[in-house]
Amino acid sequence: AQSVSQHNHHVILSEAASLELGCNYSYGGTVNLFWYVQYPGQHLQLLLKYFSGDPLVKGIKGFEAEFIKSKFSFNLRKPSVQWSDTAEYFCAVNAGFNKFYFGSGTKLNVKP
Amino acid sequence: DAEITQSPRHKITETGRQVTLACHQTWNHNNMFWYRQDLGHGLRLIHYSYGVQDTNKGEVSDGYSVSRSNTEDLPLTLESAASSQTSVYFCASSGQGARTEAFFGQGTRLTVV
Repeated sequence: AQSVSQHNHHVILSEAASLELGCNYSYGGTVNLFWYVQYPGQHLQLLLKYFSGDPLVKGIKGFEAEFIKSKFSFNLRKPSVQWSDTAEYFCAVNAGFNKFYFGSGTKLNVKP
Repeated sequence: DAEITQSPRHKITETGRQVTLACHQTWNHNNMFWYRQDLGHGLRLIHYSYGVQDTNKGEVSDGYSVSRSNTEDLPLTLESAASSQTSVYFCASSGQGARTEAFFGQGTRLTVV
């Protein structure tokens, strides 16, 4: 079975700091990759997705992610975080079996 | 707009009782999923369905069951609720093929006392 690892469980940043959240997956074939965000008390919403093509993917709210196939990674980045980015972030993989595997999540706390 | 609706949003039940959580989607998606979210574990797949009359076990299916009698609904039943099943439950759906995202409901917070 596929697995998804998010090594940063809790990240605390000040506003305007840069963000990078790590995501690694274990699957050797073609994968489709996602980052979801969950604001406090809400459901998961899609931030961005990668299916193929340009490995640098831009999503909503200024987020981007880079797919590095050789490293089995799909790290999420944002140049300058805002207090409103405080949320939990989940990386997910769909490896062609119509099932989504999620990482354990990273809680981001942005201090104003 | 299409959406996924879960009900109830909050539920408190007693150990040993049968509980059913509802999930209704208007996306007309064939694929539907139930996840539970627990601190430190992220989202874990309980059951999933690829269409009417199709159901499959996920990684944490013990003590849960689902049925799919139509495209729109995938109710999740806890046969005999246990305290270990206290969690937040999310229903999701997706279209055909791997190049599709999952859409989530608002979640149901279940407490088993």
